[in-house]
Amino acid sequence: AQKVTQTQTSISVMEKTTVTMDCVYETRDSSYFLFWYKQTASGEIVFLIRQDSYKKENATEGHYSLNFQKPKSSIGLIITATQIEDSAVYFCAMRASSSFSKLVFGQGTSLSVVP
Amino acid sequence: ETAVFQTPNYHVTQVGNEVSFNCKQTLGHDTMYWYKQDSKKLLKIMFSYNNKQLIVNETVPRRFSPQSSDKAHLNLRIKSVEPEDSAVYLCASSPTWGADYAEQFFGPGTRLTVL
Repeated sequence: AQKVTQTQTSISVMEKTTVTMDCVYETRDSSYFLFWYKQTASGEIVFLIRQDSYKKENATEGHYSLNFQKPKSSIGLIITATQIEDSAVYFCAMRASSSFSKLVFGQGTSLSVVP
Repeated sequence: ETAVFQTPNYHVTQVGNEVSFNCKQTLGHDTMYWYKQDSKKLLKIMFSYNNKQLIVNETVPRRFSPQSSDKAHLNLRIKSVEPEDSAVYLCASSPTWGADYAEQFFGPGTRLTVL
């Protein structure tokens, strides 16, 4: 069975700094996909970035990037030049064919960006 | 721009009542999902539908029954609600079943409170 763990419950950072959110996962699949989603205060959940397990290069999307360490089953989300509006709950998730393609989420990390 | 719509936004009801939630997506996707998000923000898949056919039914109590009239609509009925059903119910869609790389698009959610 797939499992995704985010151990950081909440993080607070100063505006314009860089933050890293941790995520570790468990799977027996050789091919899988890792996602990060953001849930704003209004409850809206939006997709941020994806890492394909077979790709060695870390994915980047705007001011989001990933630190993919496959041997450690780790996929960290890095946000550079944080802004107040980055304050939200960030979810790590994984999808693999052996789990009937269901998206398995971590517990979420609440990020507060302060001026 | 919202492409996954859910009604109602909120619903307050008494234990034992029946409730229904509706979801519609305008993205032309084949696959739709129901998720439950509890008070601790944990997100769990409940049901997965592909082209109006039930594909995945997680360990969900029998009082929950999804229904899909076509691939753009997915409803959820809860017979005889219980206090532990209080949660946010999120609908999502993705292009097609088996496209594990694809992001999911989420609706705004329906917050259910059972008194």
